[in-house]
This record gives sequence, C-alpha cells and structure tokens, in this order.
Amino acid sequence: SYVLTQPPSVSVAPGKTARITCGGNNIGSKSVHWYQQKPGQAPVLIIHYDTDRPSGIPERFSGSNSGNTATLTISRVEAGDEADYYCQIYNSNPDHYVFGTGTKVTVL
Amino acid sequence: VQLLESGGGLEQPGGSLRLSCAASGFTFRSHVMSWVRQAPGKGLEWVSAMSGNGDRTYYADSVKGRFTISRDTANDTLYLQLDSLSAEDTAIYYCAKDRTMGGTNCFDYWGQGILVTVSS
Repeated sequence: SYVLTQPPSVSVAPGKTARITCGGNNIGSKSVHWYQQKPGQAPVLIIHYDTDRPSGIPERFSGSNSGNTATLTISRVEAGDEADYYCQIYNSNPDHYVFGTGTKVTVL
Repeated sequence: VQLLESGGGLEQPGGSLRLSCAASGFTFRSHVMSWVRQAPGKGLEWVSAMSGNGDRTYYADSVKGRFTISRDTANDTLYLQLDSLSAEDTAIYYCAKDRTMGGTNCFDYWGQGILVTVSS
C-alpha cells in the first residue's frame, strides 16, 4: 500500500517560515492535499491539488509537489498556526484515500 | 454544509455499533462520502468510502470484512456498521465529504466526530 511519510515534529519561531515535507513514491504525479488539525477539533482543508488554497485560508499557507516530496510552507508563522498537519492523496490502485503520518508544528 | 455524526459509545470487544452521519447543505447523492478515524493521540486513518449513488464501496484493509458502509440518499444519511469490534477500533470517527462532485480527491467538510470506545 502507498505510504506517506512526514516528520513527527517541526519547531519554528514566530514570524519565521515552517516547511513540512510529505514523502511518497513519485508523489509528484499525484494531487496532494493538506489539513490542519487543532486539539479537540476536526481537520480543516488548507491546501488542495498541491497548491490551491480554499476560500478563507490565509496566503501564508502554500504548497508544492515534485518528485518524491510534497511540501507545505507556512510563512510568517503565528502562534495560532500551532497544530497537527497531515498530507493526503487519493491512490487509485487500490482505491484508497491515504493520509500522511502527521506533523506537529510547535511555535516557539 | 453540515455533517452530524451519532451512534458512538462504549461497546465490548466482539460487539457491534452503527454510526450515522446526517448530511445537509449540499447535493448528497453527488458526492463520495467517507469515514475517517483517529485513535487517541494518533494520526488520521481513512476507514471507508461510498460513491454518491451507492454502487461502489471501498474499505481500508484494517476494517475490511468487519465494517460496512451504506447510505440512504432519500434521507441524506451515511452509515457505518461496525462489527467484531476490538480495542484497536477505539477512536473518534469522522464523517467527511469529498470536495469533488462524482470524484475522489480530498475532504472539504468534516463532521465534529463521534467517539467509539471498545473495552470490557
């Protein structure tokens, strides 16, 4: 089965840039989506189709995808960005949605 | 869009539960719907999905043969029948809507989640 690997944790100072990677075999050929989940809340879609932001998501959140790695970038990090972040793809053989292992972002 | 789960609770190992997800605010029959779970302190795990008209179902290997997804398009409700439960099924279960009409891509709306606890 297809596996998406993320670093368990990323720490970043306020105002700096956080980068969260999502590794998978030839992931660049797939559409990657990203979710933010704060404690006690349901996940929220923050990036879809590699780079697109749903309505209401700040421009500070951006995505890229190439080769074997997709990346979520959070610019000008704020305390409110502290959360767990998950990447996700749809794999068509077999037909499964796949989530990454998740990354906890800590704002120092 | 609203997704409201119900039916969770405490069940013994080997027991059964049925979860429901009442949907509103969108054309229910046009979207693939899924169940996603999250064990305490763990990551997200996709569990099962069903096509808009109900003709296709998909399951994670961890639940295949034990869980059954279904939907009632007349009442805009998604179900998940959980049988042969084990402690490893303890999790918050989320109902989630695929963003793409008729397709499978990502989840743009989630329910608030319902807790299932399997313990003797």
